[in-house]
Amino acid sequence: NAGVMQNPRHLVRRRGQEARLRCSPMKGHSHVYWYRQLPEEGLKFMVYLQKENIIDESGMPKERFSAEFPKEGPSILRIQQVVRGDSAAYFCASSPSGQGKLINSGANVLTFGAGSRLTVL
Amino acid sequence: QKEVEQNSGPLSVPEGAIASLNCTYSDRVSQSFFWYRQYSGKSPELIMSIYSNGDKEDGRFTAQLNKASQYVSLLIRDSQPSDSATYLCASPFIYNQGGKLIFGQGTELSVKP
Repeated sequence: NAGVMQNPRHLVRRRGQEARLRCSPMKGHSHVYWYRQLPEEGLKFMVYLQKENIIDESGMPKERFSAEFPKEGPSILRIQQVVRGDSAAYFCASSPSGQGKLINSGANVLTFGAGSRLTVL
Repeated sequence: QKEVEQNSGPLSVPEGAIASLNCTYSDRVSQSFFWYRQYSGKSPELIMSIYSNGDKEDGRFTAQLNKASQYVSLLIRDSQPSDSATYLCASPFIYNQGGKLIFGQGTELSVKP
């Protein structure tokens, strides 16, 4: 049973280019979360998606960033016109449905992928 | 706004000692807490969860939750060099939505042989 798959693992872009990061959730998981970890900082929530729906994008920068989780295929985090400050590790995590019950039992509701490390030159 | 605070460290302990990692939070409604371990360059890995006041033990790890004082801690007994990592404390933004977590800054632990 494959875990959360992210690609690319490492991505180098020049300022002004676009970055696309992909995430395939664990089999049976229908919820996807994107987190960003800037150097020397903790993980910050960006966006929460279900198939074809953005549920919560309150952590996403208002400009240049977008996310989708189409009916078919992986979730994609897209960063347009990248700047050096976008250099970070971007982690995708997935969870099964019914997380409300799971969380109150202390169960592991999130499974993280290995991350995509974006470097902007 | 809900906050989760940790001392960034680094915390250095000798091999075999007890490592104590602490986390405080600002929201009295918080129900569940998670401790993740993150090795350098790797993804976070859940090692403990706790949602009731008191202690929860799992092998060498003990999580302690004190809701009245709004702190949660992680004790690692018989610390090993392989425990050297950054430990992240996390709690859901909303108590019944488990995937949207607020993380502390993380505490770097170094276990010296």
